Amino acid sequence: AQKVTQAQTEISVVEKEDVTLDCVYETRDTTYYLFWYKQPPSGELVFLIRRNSFDEQNEISGRYSWNFQKSTSSFNFTITASQVVDSAVYFCALSTGRRALTFGSGTRLQVQP
Amino acid sequence: SAVISQKPSRDICQRGTSLTIQCQVDSQVTMMFWYRQQPGQSLTLIATANQGSEATYESGFVIDKFPISRPNLTFSTLTVSNMSPEDSSIYLCSVISGGGYEQYFGPGTRLTVT
Repeated sequence: AQKVTQAQTEISVVEKEDVTLDCVYETRDTTYYLFWYKQPPSGELVFLIRRNSFDEQNEISGRYSWNFQKSTSSFNFTITASQVVDSAVYFCALSTGRRALTFGSGTRLQVQP
Repeated sequence: SAVISQKPSRDICQRGTSLTIQCQVDSQVTMMFWYRQQPGQSLTLIATANQGSEATYESGFVIDKFPISRPNLTFSTLTVSNMSPEDSSIYLCSVISGGGYEQYFGPGTRLTVT
């Protein structure tokens, strides 16, 4: 069975602060894929990143960065210099191959001006 | 990435009625899924919509309640039958596009049952 845990239910920061969203996963498969999605108040799910289990390189995209550590089964997401537009619910998810996603419970990020 | 549309975008329905949600993709895709997101909750997989065969349902979801059609590689429908207020949710379809593993989601259908 697969499981994704996002222990932080809600985080509130002030604009320009850095914030890290935690994600811990469980799977018995050796090949798997990890994802982050953003769900703004409008409700659509926006794909942010996919990571393969065999690629532990960290990734940076603008103000976003991801830290994948297989040793701790974690795939954390950091937003640098947060902005009000970053306010959303963020979901971490896991799949094994071309299959449906197992989602974490989500972390609601509130960025105050 | 695939462009996905859903109809309707939202609806308010009476208890006991049924609603059919459509999902249209701008390219042929092999893998298509239906998810439910109850208010304030995460996403839960309802079923995998298989082209040319019956959908594969997850535990807790049954065909009589959530019949799914997948007549071709670009289109699927999900029907929410005999609705109750507990069915009030956002229903989303998603696809795996091309040869990759990224899953893209439609904009969702926001259903309220009164």
